[in-house]
Amino acid sequence: KQEVTQIPAALSVPEGENLVLNCSFTDSAIYNLQWFRQDPGKGLTSLLLIQSSQREQTSGRLNASLDKSSGRSTLYIAASQPGDSATYLCAVHPWMEYGNKLVFGAGTILRVKS
Amino acid sequence: EAQVTQNPRYLITVTGKKLTVTCSQNMNHEYMSWYRQDPGLGLRQIYYSMNVEVTDKGDVPEGYKVSRKEKRNFPLILESPSPNQTSLYFCASSPTPRVQGEKLFFGSGTQLSVL
Repeated sequence: KQEVTQIPAALSVPEGENLVLNCSFTDSAIYNLQWFRQDPGKGLTSLLLIQSSQREQTSGRLNASLDKSSGRSTLYIAASQPGDSATYLCAVHPWMEYGNKLVFGAGTILRVKS
Repeated sequence: EAQVTQNPRYLITVTGKKLTVTCSQNMNHEYMSWYRQDPGLGLRQIYYSMNVEVTDKGDVPEGYKVSRKEKRNFPLILESPSPNQTSLYFCASSPTPRVQGEKLFFGSGTQLSVL
């Protein structure tokens, strides 16, 4: 059964710092991996989606990498800003799972201090 | 605007009082599903539907029912809510279940509290 773990559970950094969020998954048989952002009381915003054949994706100050063989992904945030404060979720699409299910990690709560 | 709409956004109820959380999508998507989010556990799938009149259990279906009579709607029904169903609920949809790994579109969530 696929399991997704995110470390750390919470992170507090000063504004301007570069930071890395980690995600690991137990089964490398995945279609893709996705990073989401969740703000309090709001829904999920998809940040980056990496297909299983890709190694990384970039969007602005965000860069996500995928090492499928080792079951790891990282989300790199450059020059962090207070507006980046949110919960970041990692999710994988398991291979051959019936029903297009996403398996989520518990998230990393990020606080960027001004 | 293409979207998944859930109602209500917030709901407080008491144990045993039947309730329905509605989900509607305007993208003509075949696939719809429900997730619940609890602290420290991430999102977990409750039920999903591959198309009209086709539904199946996800990982945590106990205490929930769903129906898919129309393509656009996928309500989540709690016949006799209990406090352990207090959670944040998300509805999601995607164009076709025949394409595995397809991107899901999520609603804004429904925060349910069962007293």
